[in-house]
Amino acid sequence: QKEVEQDPGPLSVPEGAIVSLNCTYSNSAFQYFMWYRQYSRKGPELLMYTYSSGNKEDGRFTAQVDKSSKYISLFIRDSQPSDSATYLCAMTSSGNQGGKLIFGQGTELSVKP
Amino acid sequence: ETGVTQSPTHLIKTRGQQVTLRCSSQSGHNTVSWYQQALGQGPQFIFQYYREEENGRGNFPPRFSGLQFPNYSSELNVNALELDDSALYLCASSLNRGRETQYFGPGTRLLVL
Repeated sequence: QKEVEQDPGPLSVPEGAIVSLNCTYSNSAFQYFMWYRQYSRKGPELLMYTYSSGNKEDGRFTAQVDKSSKYISLFIRDSQPSDSATYLCAMTSSGNQGGKLIFGQGTELSVKP
Repeated sequence: ETGVTQSPTHLIKTRGQQVTLRCSSQSGHNTVSWYQQALGQGPQFIFQYYREEENGRGNFPPRFSGLQFPNYSSELNVNALELDDSALYLCASSLNRGRETQYFGPGTRLLVL
């Protein structure tokens, strides 16, 4: 079993839809949670960072962390065709392995005009 | 733009050869992490350098090696290349081991024939 599980999709939605992306994890030591966006043939771009449990909002993006369920989510409101990309969740612990990001497989999102 | 640069952008090698990839970190950052991303997968942690010393290593064989220079730029060396080494190699720049945020470069795409 992988430490971080993420549905690879692809996920196709119409423009303006609310998108929900999710990851589950097994390591209870994870404390730092990130979402990255990766366009084709580019490096990942940091979208959101959250420490421990709770919600964080930035414009059209909301990140949620539920440590009791080992479940994190990214919501995209009013989705745009420019949001079409692969979304990667990543996480790490605060111990000696802190800084070693463990990634999900990535979810490919397509927003249709 | 993250200010993280990588060279070269693309590389073609044959099995058994050696390769060196380079990364310049963001100004003010003292940590560089290297990741391997196979097609359709999330990045996998190779190792991290913090203030010129290796600070953690993933499940990669010793033929993957690296170093970090006093200006915090870094190199990844791979010896005895194998076909499975074909991937996108990403470096990520961060401050103090990068538990919170890591900023990725555009990557080097390596093809081993």
